[in-house]
Parts: sequence; structure tokens; C-alpha cells
Amino acid sequence: AQSVTQLGSHVSVSEGALVLLRCNYSSSVPPYLFWYVQYPNQGLQLLLKYTSAATLVKGINGFEAEFKKSETSFHLTKPSAHMSDAAEYFCAVSGESGYALNFGKGTSLLVTP
Amino acid sequence: SAVISQKPSRDICQRGTSLTIQCQVDSQVTMMFWYRQQPGQSLTLIATANQGSEATYESGFVIDKFPISRPNLTFSTLTVSNMSPEDSSIYLCSVAGGGWTGELFFGEGSRLTVL
Repeated sequence: AQSVTQLGSHVSVSEGALVLLRCNYSSSVPPYLFWYVQYPNQGLQLLLKYTSAATLVKGINGFEAEFKKSETSFHLTKPSAHMSDAAEYFCAVSGESGYALNFGKGTSLLVTP
Repeated sequence: SAVISQKPSRDICQRGTSLTIQCQVDSQVTMMFWYRQQPGQSLTLIATANQGSEATYESGFVIDKFPISRPNLTFSTLTVSNMSPEDSSIYLCSVAGGGWTGELFFGEGSRLTVL
């Protein structure tokens, strides 16, 4: 079954520091991978996606992620954290049906001044 | 992209009652999905709702508890029946966009609290 594991339920960084949120996937077929962000009391917004094109994917708000097949990873990074980046981040993989997504447990990002 | 509206955005319900959540999409979509997000947890797929066919439920979810309607290509409802405090969650409607490119679009969710 297609699944993702997010390492670290909570990550805290200082404003201006590097953001690194980890996601490893398990998939029996070439996966489609996604990162979503959820701000408090809001729905999910797509940050970026990997669909077998370029392995380095750039998304919105300065985030990017690199697909590494050898490591089965799809970590999310941002060079310089901003206070507005504080939110819940979810990694997701396309499910066996090919349409519905399977989500990781989420990582709560805290940005401190 | 698709714009998805859910109603109600939040509600407080009494144990044993049922509540129907509506999901309206601004374009015609074939596949709609209902997810549940329990407090502090990730999203769990409840069912896939395709227009013209019965909803397909994931393991652990049954039609008697979560009946779904999909009368047309822009609308769906999810009912949470005979609610208990364990049903307190955010329920999210999502769709696969036209010319599907992998991602799902989500509504803002319906936050239910069961007392």
C-alpha cells in the first residue's frame, strides 16, 4: 500500500533559519507525492507536487522538495523561515486507486522570533 | 483549480443526532472524496463518491454511519449518523480537478463537536 511517514510531529525553527520537514514514502508503483499546508481553522492548500517530471520541485511561498528514489524521500525545505510559515504540513502520496491521497500524520511547524 | 464550499463550517451537536454536511463545487468533477481529520490527527479517507454510483467506503467506515449522496457533478452530501463524542472531527470534502494532474483540492472543512 502507498503510504508516507513524516518524521517529527513538531519542528521549531527561528525566523530566518532553514526549514526542513521530512517525509519518506512507501509505494509499489512510481508515486505521485505532495506537500500540503494547513493554517489554523482552514482547509488544505497545495504547496507542491511531484509527478515524475523534475526531481526538484518548486512550490509556493518559497518552498521546494526533492524526490530521491534511492532514499524513498521527499523532504520539504525553505531556505529562510518566516513567521507566516507557522502551520501544519502534510506529506501525501497517491493511493492505490490512483486518485485519493494517503496522508502522513503531519508536522507542526513553529517559527520563533 | 476548483473552489469548494462546505456547509456548515462548524456545528455543535448532541449525542445521538445526525448532521448532514454539504459540499458544493464551482465546476463539474467526476470524483469527490470525503476525509475525516480527528483532533490533532492526519486526514483519513472515509469514502469516494462518484456521480451515478454508490459511494465506495474505506475500511472502518460504513454506509449506515456515513451515508453519502452524489446527485450531480457539482454537489455531494455526507451525513454523520447517530453521533457520539468520538465523531468530533473536521470533515473535509475534496475533488480531483479537471484534467486531473494528481492533486486534490479541499474545502475549508466542517468542524463538528459532539457533546
